[in-house]
Amino acid sequence: EIVLTQSPGTLSLSPGERATLSCRASQSVTSSYLAWYQQKPGQAPRLLIYGAFSRATGIPDRFSGSGSGTDFTLAISRLEPEDLAVYYCQQYDRSPQTFGQGTKVEIK
Amino acid sequence: QVQLQESGPGLVKPSGTLSLTCAVSGDSISSTNWWSWVRQTPGKGLEWIGEIYHSGSTNYSPSLKSRVTISVDKSQNQFSLKLTSVTAADTAVYYCARGQQLFDYWGQGTLVTVSS
Repeated sequence: EIVLTQSPGTLSLSPGERATLSCRASQSVTSSYLAWYQQKPGQAPRLLIYGAFSRATGIPDRFSGSGSGTDFTLAISRLEPEDLAVYYCQQYDRSPQTFGQGTKVEIK
Repeated sequence: QVQLQESGPGLVKPSGTLSLTCAVSGDSISSTNWWSWVRQTPGKGLEWIGEIYHSGSTNYSPSLKSRVTISVDKSQNQFSLKLTSVTAADTAVYYCARGQQLFDYWGQGTLVTVSS
């Protein structure tokens, strides 16, 4: 199965700053079948990005995805306090779909 | 508004069977969507368990396939998960979700603890 490795483990930034989260796959993810989820404390994950760069319904344009092959990035411009969460990448190119271990975003 | 709600025992004995149900509202279980189970543990993170279509077609994670059964009840608009021969490693928050590859709606999750 495809293993996804996310970095950094934790990101601590101030409101208004830009966050850059990385997701690296153990094998190439063809057709950019890569998604990002946001999980706030005590909540279920929420779909943010699919197809590597397409925003899900209702997701603000502060969130953007990029990348291809084995390297993908989630960027959050202009961090807001409500962005405090753990962010997971997921590949759905090959079964079983797998998730990364998550990057925690802390707001200073 | 699509909503999913998990229900079932929060405590299961080792070697027993974990049984959960997911009630769906705001969408028909017979729509063109697949319906999935995902679990989350502190150690392994998010793990896809399996999925079902209203026709009864299923797909399971290879690592759990020998112990998992997912079924659908169209009359109740719900689907269910059974996991047999559980151990402490199956202690997790179990989520039901809509989707086959992408999960756009999730239940709030239910903690299942395996302990005697």
